[in-house]
Order: sequence, then C-alpha cells, then structure tokens
Amino acid sequence: EPEVTQTPSHQVTQMGQEVILRCVPISNHLYFYWYRQILGQKVEFLVSFYNNEISEKSEIFDDQFSVERPDGSNFTLKIRSTKLEDSAMYFCASRRRVRDTDTQYFGPGTRLTVL
Amino acid sequence: KNEVEQSPQNLTAQEGEFITINCSYSVGISALHWLQQHPGGGIVSLFMLSSGKKKHGRLIATINIQEKHSSLHITASHPRDSAVYICAVIDAGGTSYGKLTFGQGTILTVHP
Repeated sequence: EPEVTQTPSHQVTQMGQEVILRCVPISNHLYFYWYRQILGQKVEFLVSFYNNEISEKSEIFDDQFSVERPDGSNFTLKIRSTKLEDSAMYFCASRRRVRDTDTQYFGPGTRLTVL
Repeated sequence: KNEVEQSPQNLTAQEGEFITINCSYSVGISALHWLQQHPGGGIVSLFMLSSGKKKHGRLIATINIQEKHSSLHITASHPRDSAVYICAVIDAGGTSYGKLTFGQGTILTVHP
C-alpha cells in the first residue's frame, strides 16, 4: 500500500541553524500538509500546499518557515533559524482530492530537537 | 475557529470491555477524522465520516451533525488497542483545503 515517507526520523540542531524536513507524499496525491505536535500538546496545522503554491497557512507559519515541492515528488519544510520552541514532532500528510470522502495520509513524523 | 474537545482525556479498561471516546466541535464541519497515534508517534487514519456511522472490524464511529458530536466505539477491547485516539475536523465551506483541526487526544490503556 502506498505510504507517505519522511526523513530524517530525528533531527537534532543548534538554535539558529537552518533545518530542512523532507517528505515524499503518495504519488497521485494533489494536496499536501505540514502539521506539528509539541510534546504533550495537540497536533497543530502549519500549512497546506496545492498546485505548487501555499493554499493556507496558520499564524505559526511565519517568515521563518517555507515549503517547497522542488522536483514533483519531494515536499520540504524549511525552518530558517530554529528556536527552542520549534522542538516538536513534524508530520507531513497528503490527500488525493479535497472531497469529503478523501482521507489524509500521514507520514511517520520527524522529531526535531533544538538545543 | 473550530474548537474540538474530546472526553475522556485518559481511559483505562480491562481487555474485553466496550469503550467509548467522545468528540465535540463548535463550528459546522464537512468531515471528521478519527486518528490513532501509537507511542512511536505515527498517526494513522481510522475513519473519515461526514454523516451516520462507519464500522471497521471492532471499531465503530458515529457522527451527529446537528449536535456537533462524534463517538468512537471499540468493542471487545484488546491491549493492542492501547494508543492515543484523536478526533480532527475539516471546517465546512470550500476554503479550508482540507486543513485539519485536532482535539487533544484520548490516551487509552487496555490491560490484559
């Protein structure tokens, strides 16, 4: 069964460094998402991406964040200058179409630790 | 902004018990997900529903759109059902692009 993959599974970085989290969505999916979950808290929406552009973003997704689909298969989340509070689990998800019957499929997550 | 609340926050059961987890939301939706998150962190979609009831094995999900409420039932619970169960909704209207708003999760522990 097709699945969403994410790399790396765990990333440790120093505060102020740039990180890129990578995702490979399911190949025939058209809608892509990043979510994050700070330890002990709810999962939060960061950004959705469709037709090679951001379709919606949350207030968390400020100028330090960017997303890209550079080659038609990978979907990346970049954090330009990491802060301690960016430490979280980051989930990528993809969806074939935006209809009530279309499920979002989640990747296994990347645990980001900012020291 | 949709507020999604789940109850209970923690649930402990003995193997074989019937389990119910509840979810309520504040604003009309187009669809609701029930998700399962295992200790390693990965999230799996169990159900997506917009009306009525769905069943998959020992899991049953129901939704009442008028009351803005959904329930997840597990019949004949088993220790392998131990996980965090999360309710997440997609707001009604055509502009959300499928963005999910999540509840805080219910931690289920099933003892043998």
